[in-house]
Amino acid sequence: AQKVTQAQTEISVVEKEDVTLDCVYETRDTTYYLFWYKQPPSGELVFLIRRNSFDEQNEISGRYSWNFQKSTSSFNFTITASQVVDSAVYFCALSGPPRTTDSWGKLQFGAGTQVVVTP
Amino acid sequence: ETGVTQTPRHLVMGMTNKKSLKCEQHLGHNAMYWYKQSAKKPLELMFVYNFKEQTENNSVPSRFSPECPNSSHLFLHLHTLQPEDSALYLCASSQDRGNIADTQYFGPGTRLTVL
Repeated sequence: AQKVTQAQTEISVVEKEDVTLDCVYETRDTTYYLFWYKQPPSGELVFLIRRNSFDEQNEISGRYSWNFQKSTSSFNFTITASQVVDSAVYFCALSGPPRTTDSWGKLQFGAGTQVVVTP
Repeated sequence: ETGVTQTPRHLVMGMTNKKSLKCEQHLGHNAMYWYKQSAKKPLELMFVYNFKEQTENNSVPSRFSPECPNSSHLFLHLHTLQPEDSALYLCASSQDRGNIADTQYFGPGTRLTVL
């Protein structure tokens, strides 16, 4: 069974501070995919990043960066120099290999971490 | 219109009503999904359609009835709902290239309140 744990329920920071969101996953698959989505108050889930299990390179996109550590089954997300517009719920998600009976097309989401950035 | 759209954005219905949620994707994708997001709960996958065929029904009560007439449209027909069905219903779509797990793109959701 697949499981995603986001232990941080809510993180509050002041603008310009860095914030790191933890994501720990469990899977028996050797091929899998990890995702981060942002859900602002409007409700829409906005796709941020997708990584496959064979690509452990860390990635940076503007103020966002991701640290994939297969050895610890973690895929953490850092927002550098946070801004008020970063206030949202952030979800980490896991998907199994394609075209298998149990996990194809299924995104297993974590519970989400609410990030509150105050001016 | 671009991306994934959902209508209505808000819906209030009584337990005896029948209503439908509509989702449309403008991305040329072949797979579509319904998710339920309740307060204090993780997102729950409800249904998956791939090339108009239902490939997943995640033990959803029969008062929720999905319909996928083509790869671009997905409906969720609702009847005799319960107050605990009040939630944000999210639609998503993905390419489905068969050999990799494609990214799912989500619509803005329908906020449903059952009185």
